[in-house]
Amino acid sequence: TQLLEQSPQFLSIQEGENLTVYCNSSSVFSSLQWYRQEPGEGPVLLVTVVTGGEVKKLKRLTFQFGDARKDSSLHITAAQPGDTGLYLCAGEETGANNLFFGTGTRLTVIP
Amino acid sequence: EADIYQTPRYLVIGTGKKITLECSQTMGHDKMYWYQQDPGMELHLIHYSYGVNSTEKGDLSSESTVSRIRTEHFPLTLESARPSHTSQYLCASSPPTRPYEQYFGPGTRLTVT
Repeated sequence: TQLLEQSPQFLSIQEGENLTVYCNSSSVFSSLQWYRQEPGEGPVLLVTVVTGGEVKKLKRLTFQFGDARKDSSLHITAAQPGDTGLYLCAGEETGANNLFFGTGTRLTVIP
Repeated sequence: EADIYQTPRYLVIGTGKKITLECSQTMGHDKMYWYQQDPGMELHLIHYSYGVNSTEKGDLSSESTVSRIRTEHFPLTLESARPSHTSQYLCASSPPTRPYEQYFGPGTRLTVT
């Protein structure tokens, strides 16, 4: 059973465009994290959201946690080639000991 | 900045060999994890540890074993490697105050021929 579905699976855009990627589940999470992974490297933590409806900004990246804490979105403004990578969401399910990782969105930003 | 290290970064070995993948962290984190990831795919938890002398199996069945004799060290061993073990192996740790935030090493890409 896949707890976290991410969409789109692949996204290729031009530099300067805006984009949104989604992370959806039928489960409720105590917290949700977003990671970015570059080829040949481990994922790097970008942000953690814990409160339903919470919005966090990290420069050009805006993260939102759904009101019911079942979903999240990542919006990138004016994408740059350095944003290229695999974006993974991960949820801490209430009562569980570990994180569940999403299926990932592979983003390519073309100069 | 997270300080978690994995060696080797790349390994190509023949079927039947015994291998140990090393993972060390200098942050004093109690909880550590091993994940398996096929290229561009999601991460699957194969082992984790709450601290010294604690080891647990994860969600994905694995023929590997782990040990945790020291807080900073969490090696993973394959007694007899097979081509089906070819994958990327990622080690991570998390701080006691924020156990849901995991910090990853660079990974070991294993190829079994």
